[in-house]
Amino acid sequence: EPEVTQTPSHQVTQMGQEVILRCVPISNHLYFYWYRQILGQKVEFLVSFYNNEISEKSEIFDDQFSVERPDGSNFTLKIRSTKLEDSAMYFCASSEDFKGGSGQQPQHFGDGTRLSIL
Amino acid sequence: AQTVTQSQPEMSVQEAETVTLSCTYDTSESDYYLFWYKQPPSRQMILVIRQEAYKQQNATENRFSVNFQKAAKSFSLKISDSQLGDAAMYFCAFTPDQGGSEKLVFGKGTKLTVNP
Repeated sequence: EPEVTQTPSHQVTQMGQEVILRCVPISNHLYFYWYRQILGQKVEFLVSFYNNEISEKSEIFDDQFSVERPDGSNFTLKIRSTKLEDSAMYFCASSEDFKGGSGQQPQHFGDGTRLSIL
Repeated sequence: AQTVTQSQPEMSVQEAETVTLSCTYDTSESDYYLFWYKQPPSRQMILVIRQEAYKQQNATENRFSVNFQKAAKSFSLKISDSQLGDAAMYFCAFTPDQGGSEKLVFGKGTKLTVNP
């Protein structure tokens, strides 16, 4: 069964540095998402991406964050000038295009990247 | 604001027994979807079951079923004949039906332990 893959599984970065988290969504999916989960807290939505642009973003997703689909397969999350509070598990997800009467297409998640800011 | 609450941080069940995980949500939307995701240790979240709010019939997937009470905004997950492989974090999630794939709003999760 096709899977969403994320690299690296664990990233350790010095505070103030930039980090790029990478995701390869399922190949025929058209909606892409980033979520994060701070240790002990809820999984929180960051951003959704469709048709090469952001379709929705949360209050968390400020100017420090950006997303990009640099080619036909990768979907990246860049965090500039990282802070201690950016330490979290970051999940990428993807879903198929909306199919009208068939309703919401389920989101498929990757294993996550654990980001540790020192 | 849309919120999802899972009041049980941890639950345990004996193998082969039945367990019910609770979830309540708050929304002003009339059309929406509810999901249960399972996250085994160090593994990705996997969709277990989903429910469309406009459907009165409770969704079932093999040993997994839900008790959807729309008026009470309650969406519990029942796992029958529990197996060791069911041990995981279980997340309840909500998304409005707005004609396209939308963000999921998650609860904090319930850690399920299955005892042999």
